[in-house]
Amino acid sequence: DTGVSQDPRHKITKRGQNVTFRCDPISEHNRLYWYRQTLGQGPEFLTYFQNEAQLEKSRLLSDRFSAERPKGSFSTLEIQRTEQGDSAMYLCASSLVLAGGSSPDTQYFGPGTRLTVL
Amino acid sequence: DAKTTQPTSMDCAEGRAANLPCNHSTISGNEYVYWYRQIHSQGPQYIIHGLKNNETNEMASLIITEDRKSSTLILPHATLRDTAVYYCIVRAYNDMRFGAGTRLTVKP
Repeated sequence: DTGVSQDPRHKITKRGQNVTFRCDPISEHNRLYWYRQTLGQGPEFLTYFQNEAQLEKSRLLSDRFSAERPKGSFSTLEIQRTEQGDSAMYLCASSLVLAGGSSPDTQYFGPGTRLTVL
Repeated sequence: DAKTTQPTSMDCAEGRAANLPCNHSTISGNEYVYWYRQIHSQGPQYIIHGLKNNETNEMASLIITEDRKSSTLILPHATLRDTAVYYCIVRAYNDMRFGAGTRLTVKP
């Protein structure tokens, strides 16, 4: 399967612990997005990368959230000092953006990582 | 990005066409209409998108009104596996803003 993969699929942690999630995009895709989805709601955009550059991070939920994409391939999302309100599905999506393109990119989502904070 | 309005839920009989409406009366000229669906506990799945012309692919058809203020996603022969939440999104650039979507239930 050559789709977007995320690891782990499920994570249970205790309040105050740090957690890190990994996303592997579709291999030729240069753009990578992170979203969060709480129960009964649609996904909420957090941040995105073009290759290794993080182009938007103002919508990360707090300074406890950070993301990296060091070599322009896989990405990690870290949450420090987790709180019960961080319990959610964390989704990654990737896309291919061509130079000079005039239409938005089509994003392909991974299966998500479900985080439960006790 | 423009805001969209979708019905909260819809039912459809298996084998019949499912027509899912979306209102986007504030859409701008450079904004596209995208449709995704999300089957329970999975990531959203891309279905189709369009700017102003009607579009068709192997999954669905997208009908956009001439004034572009509304659109309809058509699943021509719904199956039980099409039961999902369907999201209509209007966007021009990078991130996508999802609403609550329409929960489509396909019944035998």
